[in-house]
Amino acid sequence: DQQVKQNSPSLSVQEGRISILNCDYTNSMFDYFLWYKKYPAEGPTFLISISSIKDKNEDGRFTVFLNKSAKHLSLHIVPSQPGDSAVYFCAASPYGGATNKLIFGTGTLLAVQP
Amino acid sequence: GAGVSQSPSNKVTEKGKDVELRCDPISGHTALYWYRQSLGQGLEFLIYFQGNSAPDKSGLPSDRFSAERTGGSVSTLTIQRTQQEDSAVYLCASSEPGLAYEQYFGPGTRLTVT
Repeated sequence: DQQVKQNSPSLSVQEGRISILNCDYTNSMFDYFLWYKKYPAEGPTFLISISSIKDKNEDGRFTVFLNKSAKHLSLHIVPSQPGDSAVYFCAASPYGGATNKLIFGTGTLLAVQP
Repeated sequence: GAGVSQSPSNKVTEKGKDVELRCDPISGHTALYWYRQSLGQGLEFLIYFQGNSAPDKSGLPSDRFSAERTGGSVSTLTIQRTQQEDSAVYLCASSEPGLAYEQYFGPGTRLTVT
């Protein structure tokens, strides 16, 4: 049972435009959400996170929005750059989890066209 | 500074053989995680080590899988009697004390069982 879902396997946008990557979750006990970026042949790298007590977190060109009632979060990248082309994973951590293990979605491949 | 390193980067083995995968976490990181990513899937949690506490082995898929962490640093994931379904990229991550959600990943070991 997939608790974290990324329903779009791929997304293509033009350089300079906004990229919006979406993620849905089913477990209302998740209390922390993260986005990771992964280039080929490399491990994922942490990008941005948000606590369940917030609805928005911004870091430079990257903004994560959380809609708890809809169990939905999104990552906005603006303006998009060719170097942003990568696989983006959404991840969540269960509330009160003793191990902080992360539950990942299946990823969305973003291609930013020059 | 040095990131998380893993070895080997690629491993091809015959069905039924045992394999050992190694992870060197970032110095000073007390938490260490193993995940795996099968083709077309998200990252799947396997096992977590935190300091001297008993590891969380709840993600290990079968008793053919085991892991240890010696001296609170290097970790080895062992898969006995490998099966074709064990083919995946095995990723190790570590995190700082108090920042367990922000995990730093190694490049992974691609395991292929023929």
